[in-house]
Amino acid sequence: DQQVKQNSPSLSVQEGRISILNCDYTNSMFDYFLWYKKYPAEGPTFLISISSIKDKNEDGRFTVFLNKSAKHLSLHIVPSQPGDSAVYFCAASAHTGNQFYFGTGTSLTVIP
Amino acid sequence: EPEVTQTPSHQVTQMGQEVILRCVPISNHLYFYWYRQILGQKVEFLVSFYNNEISEKSEIFDDQFSVERPDGSNFTLKIRSTKLEDSAMYFCASRSSRGQAGELFFGEGSRLTVL
Repeated sequence: DQQVKQNSPSLSVQEGRISILNCDYTNSMFDYFLWYKKYPAEGPTFLISISSIKDKNEDGRFTVFLNKSAKHLSLHIVPSQPGDSAVYFCAASAHTGNQFYFGTGTSLTVIP
Repeated sequence: EPEVTQTPSHQVTQMGQEVILRCVPISNHLYFYWYRQILGQKVEFLVSFYNNEISEKSEIFDDQFSVERPDGSNFTLKIRSTKLEDSAMYFCASRSSRGQAGELFFGEGSRLTVL
C-alpha cells in the first residue's frame, strides 16, 4: 500500500536552473510533510518540512509547496547546484500516529 | 551538533544467525524508530518505540524482530534468525516529539548482508 508516491525516479537539471521534485499522497489524515536528501551509503538528512495549515514553506534555496486538495506536494530548488545531486525522499505523517511514510525517492542529478 | 550513531556500519552474516544492530539516539529525544531500505527500494518503516514500549510496528516487523532500550541510551534491533531477504540498509532515527513539532533525525545506517 503505497501511501506516498514519487512518480519520477530520476531528474536531470542544469546547474543554476530550477529543480522541481514532486510527491503525491493518498491518505487525507496526513498533516505533516517532510523532504529528506540522501547520499549513497549515508542516512537521510532532513531538508524542509511543511504542516497542513500552510501551503508554502521556504528555507534558502528550498521551497516546499503543499496542495491539500490535490494531495500533492513539491520541492523547488533554486538555483540548483551540483552538490544538490542526491536522492530526495518525501515523507508524511498523521498526528494520530507515530510513523512517517516515505516515497520511493527521486534521484536528482545537477549537471555543471 | 547532536547526531544519531549506529553500529556496525556493515555486518555480514549467515542465514539463520542472530543479528543485533545498535543505535544511540540523540540524548533528549523521546521517540525512536527503525527503518530499512532494500537496495533500490523505498525506505520502509519497521517500528517505533516510546516510553519503553513499541508504539507502532509494520507487518515487516514479525516475530523474528525485536527492539530494546536496555540502558537508557542504546536502542537495539535484533533479528533472531536472519533470512536472505533481510539484507538491507537499516536506519535508526529519533525525534524529540510527535506530531508536527519535529522531524526525524537519521543515523548513517547499518548495512546487513545475509548470505
